[in-house]
Amino acid sequence: DIVMTQSPDSLSVSLGERATINCKSSQSVLYSSNNKNYLAWYQQKPGQPPKLLIYWASTRESGVPDRFSGSGSATDFTLTISSLQAEDVAVYYCQQYFSTPYTFGQGTKLEIK
Amino acid sequence: QEQLQESGPGLVKPSETLSLTCAVSGYSISSGYYWGWIRQPPGKGLEWIGSIYPSGSTYYNPSLKSRVTISVDTSKNQFSLKLSSVTAADTAVYYCARHGYCTTGGCYHTYFDYWGQGTLVTVSS
Repeated sequence: DIVMTQSPDSLSVSLGERATINCKSSQSVLYSSNNKNYLAWYQQKPGQPPKLLIYWASTRESGVPDRFSGSGSATDFTLTISSLQAEDVAVYYCQQYFSTPYTFGQGTKLEIK
Repeated sequence: QEQLQESGPGLVKPSETLSLTCAVSGYSISSGYYWGWIRQPPGKGLEWIGSIYPSGSTYYNPSLKSRVTISVDTSKNQFSLKLSSVTAADTAVYYCARHGYCTTGGCYHTYFDYWGQGTLVTVSS
């Protein structure tokens, strides 16, 4: 299984400041034949299902604000929120879909400082 | 607007079988996507259980494979999960979700883009 490890486990950021969440996979999720990273990011608010934010490591889902961006390749990835808004308080998960079993990171809880 | 809705008993006794159904609306379940189940124990992270393609192809998490069956009913536009011999460790919110796609060129793993709201299943006597 590909193990996904996120850091930090929790994060406190002031409104308007940048938030950065890291995700590391135990093996590369870059598929060489199409040069795509099989990595997604989700946002989960209390009592709600996860919401897809980013896929292919850096493609923003339709309707997701452009303050959210994804970067990285192979085994190291980053989710960045450029200017934190109050509604961004949530738990964020990375997920690999390179191979089954699909696996998620343990989650990063983002709070307002 | 595509919607997924889980349904089933909220309480299951230990050693019995958990059975859930995911009804899909606004989209034909036969139209080229995979349909999966993910669970989340209270206060914990997400675990993929398994997925099915409407042709019948299934993919299960090896950690649960011996206890899991996922099936599809295209006539009702829904798919189902059965998890046998449950214990308290199977207490979780169970989500159904859409992912992947198939074309004439093949089938492709992708992210989970549409999710149900989830249903809490508690295993207790």
